[in-house]
Formats: sequence, C-alpha cells, structure tokens
Amino acid sequence: DGGITQSPKYLFRKEGQNVTLSCEQNLNHDAMYWYRQDPGQGLRLIYYSQIVNDFQKGDIAEGYSVSREKKESFPLTVTSAQKNPTAFYLCASTSYSGANVLTFGAGSRLTVL
Amino acid sequence: QQQVKQSPQSLIVQKGGISIINCAYENTAFDYFPWYQQFPGKGPALLIAIRPDVSEKKEGRFTISFNKSAKQFSLHIMDSQPGDSATYFCAAGGSARQLTFGSGTQLTVLP
Repeated sequence: DGGITQSPKYLFRKEGQNVTLSCEQNLNHDAMYWYRQDPGQGLRLIYYSQIVNDFQKGDIAEGYSVSREKKESFPLTVTSAQKNPTAFYLCASTSYSGANVLTFGAGSRLTVL
Repeated sequence: QQQVKQSPQSLIVQKGGISIINCAYENTAFDYFPWYQQFPGKGPALLIAIRPDVSEKKEGRFTISFNKSAKQFSLHIMDSQPGDSATYFCAAGGSARQLTFGSGTQLTVLP
C-alpha cells in the first residue's frame, strides 16, 4: 500500500541536541510538507518542498532545517535553536505542488527532557 | 497570518445525535475548505471538502454547510457513532501550502 512512513514514532531528546525526523513516501508525490501540532492548536507549516533540491520556509521555520535530496524523502532536523521543540510532528505530501489534498503520515512525537 | 477560528474546542454527543462544528475565516480569497479527521496517535485524513461555489456538500453522514457572505462553514455529522470519536480540523485556503488550519475540535460520541 502506498503511503507516508514517519520514524521514529516517539523520540526523546536532551536540551541542546539536534534530532532528525524521517519522512518517506511511496506515493510518487512531488510536494512534501512538515507540520507541527501542539495541543489545542491547529497544524502549523514548518517547511515544504515542491521539487527535489528545493524547499521553502513555512510559517514557523525558525529552529528547523530540511533537505530534499530524493523525491521520496524529506527529513526534518529539529535543532538546538528551536526554543520549544516538544510537539507532534506530521509529514504530508500532495501529488503536485498546486494540489490541496494532503496525505499525512502517522506522526512523530518529540519530547525534550 | 490569516486565522481560521474553530468552535467548540470539545463536543460530547450521544450516539445517534447530530454533531456540529463551526469555523470562521477572514480571507475572502480562500477558495478551498476541507475538514480533516484525526484519531489519537495518527495523522489527519481528509474527510470532506467544499469550494465556495456551492452552499452545501454531503457525503454519507457528513455534510459541509458553507455561508460565503458570513465567511463561515460548518461540519454536520448525522447519526453520530462512537467510531466518529476523533479530533476534527477545519482548514481554509487554496493550495496545500496556503492552508490555514483551525485549532481542532475533540468529538466524543457516547454509546
């Protein structure tokens, strides 16, 4: 079955450490997205990528970095510069850059100790 | 950032009842209004969506009502079932990168 795989599902990190969240899709989708979800808040866009080797900042990109070396993969690094990194992170994709139907992964929950 | 205001934050409904969740948006340029359903520990999944050229869209027990002049839209779940218990997000915008999400409504349907 096609879909989006995020790993790890749960991650604990000490303050000051960088951590990378994996996102892989086998949907042959062109565009990929990273969202952050906090309790009582909607999804907020961190970064998105419309094509390989290109990505754009979303609304809350500070303290995060991404890469898009392959069409199938869009890893997110949460750096030590992110002031409040504890959250649920969701990766998503759309079939092309102008599409609006998002397919989401199951998410990764990051907890900073 | 343009906001999408969603209410209520939580909702408890008896089995067989009607669940109603409301959203209001600000930007009149928005032309796509989806609703996503999220179960605990899972990613959201598209439930139903509407464009502003129609006032209502129905898919099974789920209906979106859209009021362009009031800049409001709502999700109605008829004959609510315990399996509908989830968090529901509205969103508004255009393409995926332009979507603004509401804060979510946690729906509990009692058996």
